[in-house]
Amino acid sequence: AQKVTQAQTEISVVEKEDVTLDCVYETRDTTYYLFWYKQPPSGELVFLIRRNSFDEQNEISGRYSWNFQKSTSSFNFTITASQVVDSAVYFCALRPRGSGNTPLVFGKGTRLSVIA
Amino acid sequence: DAGITQSPRHKVTETGTPVTLRCHQTENHRYMYWYRQDPGHGLRLIHYSYGVKDTDKGEVSDGYSVSRSKTEDFLLTLESATSSQTSVYFCAITEGLAEYNEQFFGPGTRLTVL
Repeated sequence: AQKVTQAQTEISVVEKEDVTLDCVYETRDTTYYLFWYKQPPSGELVFLIRRNSFDEQNEISGRYSWNFQKSTSSFNFTITASQVVDSAVYFCALRPRGSGNTPLVFGKGTRLSVIA
Repeated sequence: DAGITQSPRHKVTETGTPVTLRCHQTENHRYMYWYRQDPGHGLRLIHYSYGVKDTDKGEVSDGYSVSRSKTEDFLLTLESATSSQTSVYFCAITEGLAEYNEQFFGPGTRLTVL
């Protein structure tokens, strides 16, 4: 079975602090894909990043970085120098091997509040 | 922008009434999905479609049916709405056919069943 666990339900930080959102996944597939989405207070779901299981290289995009470790089945998301605009619910998701129609399996999300 | 619209965006209805939500896309995507979002549960898959007239059930399909008679429209029907179906409903598509492609979401429909 496929499962994504985001153990942190809510996190609150002060602006400019660094924060890491944890994501742990379970799958028996050797090929799979991991995703992060952001849901700001306005409610839309915004795609942030995709990672393939055979590519363990970490990625940095501005203040955002992602750490993928197959050994611990984790795909953590770090925001450096957080800003109020980072306040949102963040979802981690998994797509097991299949085809483009295989739906994503989502974690329950982490609500991040950045306080000015 | 994946060209996804949902209608209505907000709806209030009464228990026992039928409700149909519409997802419309303009870019000929093959794969479409319906999710519901509830506090403490994240996003859960209701039904999905991999082509016209081809659909399958998701994790929380009880009480819901879907239809896809045209590529561009994926309809979600609550045959007899219940209060437990009060939720925010999101439609999504996968661009292209590759398994590594991400899903893009519509703006959501907030449904309240009284």
